Amino acid sequence: DIVMTQSPSSLAVSAGETVTINCKSSQSLLSSGNQKNYLAWYQQKPGQSPKLLIYLASTRESGVPDRFIGSGSGTDFTLTISSVQAEDLADYYCQQHYSYPDTFGAGTKLELK
Amino acid sequence: QVTLKESGPGILQPSQTLSLTCTFSGFSLSTYGMGVGWIRQPSGKGLEWLANIWWDDDKYYNPSLKNRLTISKDTSNNQAFLKITNVDTADTATYYCARIPRELDYFDYWGQGVMVTVSS
Repeated sequence: DIVMTQSPSSLAVSAGETVTINCKSSQSLLSSGNQKNYLAWYQQKPGQSPKLLIYLASTRESGVPDRFIGSGSGTDFTLTISSVQAEDLADYYCQQHYSYPDTFGAGTKLELK
Repeated sequence: QVTLKESGPGILQPSQTLSLTCTFSGFSLSTYGMGVGWIRQPSGKGLEWLANIWWDDDKYYNPSLKNRLTISKDTSNNQAFLKITNVDTADTATYYCARIPRELDYFDYWGQGVMVTVSS
């Protein structure tokens, strides 16, 4: 199984700051066939179901604000949130969709400082 | 508009079989490349993928649950199902179904989740 390691596990921020969440996979998520990385990011607010933010490592889902930026390749990936807003306070998860079984990172909790 | 909604028993006893239903609209599981997955989340913990079913009836399971899982679908009624046999307290969680677009195995639309408690 591909193990997904997220860091940090929690992060306290002030509104307007830029934050970075890291996700490292135990195997490369880069497809040799199409040169795409099979990594997705989700946001989960308290009491809600997860919401897709990013797929294929850097493709923003329709309707997701452009302050959410996914980057990285191979085994190292980053979700950057520019100018954090109060509505961004949530848990964030990465997921590899490269091979079965699908696996998620343990999550990063974004809290208000 | 894509929507999914999970339903289940709420509470069941150890060793019983958990049967979950996902009723969806706005897409068809007979469409090429489309899939539905099941994911669960114990309270206060992370996400665990359970199983996927595809438009062509291909199925994939999380091996960590060994042979306890069965996923199926009813295309004509826009439903997907998951059964988990021999449940125990570790299966207590919120269970989500979610749509998989374009054979890419990420989940773009999620249901609201259904809470399942296993207790004697």
